[in-house]
Formats: sequence, C-alpha cells, structure tokens
Amino acid sequence: GQQVMQIPQYQHVQEGEDFTTYCNSSTTLSNIQWYKQRPGGHPVFLIQLVKSGEVKKQKRLTFQFGEAKKNSSLHITATQTTDVGTYFCAGDDYKLSFGAGTTVTVRA
Amino acid sequence: SAVISQKPSRDICQRGTSLTIQCQVDSQVTMMFWYRQQPGQSLTLIATANQGSEATYESGFVIDKFPISRPNLTFSTLTVSNMSPEDSSIYLCSVPEGRGYGYTFGSGTRLTVV
Repeated sequence: GQQVMQIPQYQHVQEGEDFTTYCNSSTTLSNIQWYKQRPGGHPVFLIQLVKSGEVKKQKRLTFQFGEAKKNSSLHITATQTTDVGTYFCAGDDYKLSFGAGTTVTVRA
Repeated sequence: SAVISQKPSRDICQRGTSLTIQCQVDSQVTMMFWYRQQPGQSLTLIATANQGSEATYESGFVIDKFPISRPNLTFSTLTVSNMSPEDSSIYLCSVPEGRGYGYTFGSGTRLTVV
C-alpha cells in the first residue's frame, strides 16, 4: 500500500522565521492532503492538492504538489506562536495514509 | 462540514477489560474510519466501517480485538477488547467531507490501560 514519508520529525523555529516540511510517497498519489493537530487536539483538514505541480496558499502557508505527484511540501512564512502543532501530510487512496508528521515548536 | 460527537473523551481501564467508543455524526455518511494514534506518533488506520456490511480491517488489526458496529449512517462504535497497556492510545473516528474537503475527525478518545 501507500507509504508516505515526512521530514523533519521536529522543527524548532524562532518566531518570525520560515520553515518547510516535506512529504514523499513511494507511489504516485491521486491527491495529497495536509492536516494540523494542535497539542491535545485532533487533526484538522487544511488543504487538498490534486494536480501535478499545484501550488495553493492559505495566508502564510504555501502548499505544493510535485510534478510527479509523489512529493509535497508545506512552507510557513513568518512563523507565529499560533503555528504550534503537528502537521501531517496524507495520501488519499479512498483511505488516508498519514506521514509521520512534523511537530513544530516556536521560540518567542 | 460534519460535526462528530465522540465519547468518551478519555478513560482509564483495567487490563483485560473492554471499552466501547462511540461516534455520532450529524449527517449521513457512507463510510466511517477508525484510527489509532499512539503517544507521539502518527495516525494508523484500524478499519473502515460501512453501513450494512462488515468492517474492513487493515493489516495488523483483527475483528476479535477491535469489533466495530455500524447500525446506521450516522453512528458507529469501536470496541477495544481484552485490553493491555499496549492499547493505550488515542482512538479517533473520521468521515469524508466530499471531493476537495478532506476528512473531519472526532475529538478522540484518550485511553490509558493500567
């Protein structure tokens, strides 16, 4: 089945800095989704990417889907304390296969 | 998006006992999914629950250990049977939101087995 790898596992960021988390799949994905899980919370859907090379933005978050539809990235600019949490990518093949997640902490 | 009520939110259970987790959705959905999230880990799919048919279990999960009921299109239960400390995890249900809108998750059940 699908295997989705995600790096880095942890990201410690100074407030105001940028960071990127990356996902790679062993197979071509029909689509990839991104979720955010706040500490003590449940995953919340952020976005879905479907098309090869697709780029979508949500305020300070930029999501990208690779040309081969095997990789994806999430870039956050000017990190804020509200960005704290774990960001998961997930391949969707009628069921989600989650990456390991990137846990983000922010130094004020 | 769907609203999911998941109960209980947390429980502490003795080993060897069973716990049933409930998810109630405010709309009818064909498929519901049950996940396990071990401490500090990612989400692992346990099974897919379809109304009117037996649940489909992922590799490593069996019906005797995690029986699932799906009596109608808005409700499902997951039972964690004959629990051991290794079953201590967060269990979450999830439903699809339709094309382009991902999945909505319940608030989770934090289970501790002692």
